[in-house]
Amino acid sequence: EDKVVQSPLSLVVHEGDTVTLNCSYEVTNFRSLLWYKQEKKAPTFLFMLTSSGIEKKSGRLSSILDKKELFSILNITATQTGDSAIYLCAVGKTSYDKVIFGPGTSLSVIP
Amino acid sequence: SAVISQKPSRDICQRGTSLTIQCQVDSQVTMMFWYRQQPGQSLTLIATANQGSEATYESGFVIDKFPISRPNLTFSTLTVSNMSPEDSSIYLCSAEETGELFFGEGSRLTVL
Repeated sequence: EDKVVQSPLSLVVHEGDTVTLNCSYEVTNFRSLLWYKQEKKAPTFLFMLTSSGIEKKSGRLSSILDKKELFSILNITATQTGDSAIYLCAVGKTSYDKVIFGPGTSLSVIP
Repeated sequence: SAVISQKPSRDICQRGTSLTIQCQVDSQVTMMFWYRQQPGQSLTLIATANQGSEATYESGFVIDKFPISRPNLTFSTLTVSNMSPEDSSIYLCSAEETGELFFGEGSRLTVL
């Protein structure tokens, strides 16, 4: 059965800290790994990773994929209170173009 | 990136009634998906909506409870039938474009 696991499930840090969120997966017909940020209702897209070892960056956020070990990390440097959200990892499959979500990591950044 | 409009954004419904959620995409997309997010939970795929054919449902979801329409490449509806309080959730429409999955704003349903 396809599975996406995230750790930690929740995290509280102080502003300015650096955090690393983890995502591991066991999925047949892997196509891509996706990271989303969810603050209210709709998740907003952060990154799509398809190749191992290539870091993607957007401001203070970065992510990398290891297809051999079947995991990805999302790094956030110099955290701000606006980074408080649930971060969702998802895996896209080639069959039916299905996307499976992990449980999410709830990040709280306190001043 | 695709822009997805979803309505209603929220509703309060009585037990036993049905509600239809509409999803409009600003471009033609092949694959549309409906997800449910129960309180405190992650997203669970309900079904994949294919234009011109019946939706493909995930384990635990059936067409009688969640009928889906996909009349064209920009529009889909999800009906939550014979609602019970356990159906209180956020329902999210999504569409795939160039490998990325984009979401509508979500519909928050509360069933009393």
